[in-house]
Amino acid sequence: DVKVTQSSRYLVKRTGEKVFLECVQDMDHENMFWYRQDPGLGLRLIYFSYDVKMKEKGDIPEGYSVSREKKERFSLILESASTNQTSMYLCASSSGGGRAPYNEQFFGPGTRLTVL
Amino acid sequence: KQEVTQIPAALSVPEGENLVLNCSFTDSAIYNLQWFRQDPGKGLTSLLLIQSSQREQTSGRLNASLDKSSGRSTLYIAASQPGDSATYLCAVSGEGKSTFGDGTTLTVKP
Repeated sequence: DVKVTQSSRYLVKRTGEKVFLECVQDMDHENMFWYRQDPGLGLRLIYFSYDVKMKEKGDIPEGYSVSREKKERFSLILESASTNQTSMYLCASSSGGGRAPYNEQFFGPGTRLTVL
Repeated sequence: KQEVTQIPAALSVPEGENLVLNCSFTDSAIYNLQWFRQDPGKGLTSLLLIQSSQREQTSGRLNASLDKSSGRSTLYIAASQPGDSATYLCAVSGEGKSTFGDGTTLTVKP
């Protein structure tokens, strides 16, 4: 079975802190994604990566950056956390690579981030 | 811009009933459509993926259909059980991105 893991299920941070969210997948997938999910707004794509060191902005990249140094690991970084970044963060992966249409996406368990 | 709608937003049925969840999308130029299940506070679990060239996919008590020309997909759940209670989301993938619906929250009463 495909497994996508996220470093924390729950996280509480202070405004202005730098926050790292880690995601690891074990299926050698080329594509990895970071989404946030908010009531009434659904899932929105923050960033995705289609290869090591490659990244593209999604719909809402402001205030976030990402890092993909190894194929299995994709990190989301909140440079200076703000209260409006309180959300559920979901990581996903799929096979494919490049900017090809996505294949089946597999999601991690999510990280519920609260910024005080 | 692709828009995905799921109606109804919530559905409550008695155990054992067969039911259909709906997903509609505005741009028929898709590559695939995926159905997910999400339990409260958890991530999304993939249920079925239908490629644009396919009409339906089946897995156990679940059957998903796709009519690309009319921009519609349905998820049929046979003989519903209380354990099926969850939010069901559909996502369509087109050029470079996926667009998700807001989901239908299903409650199956014993």
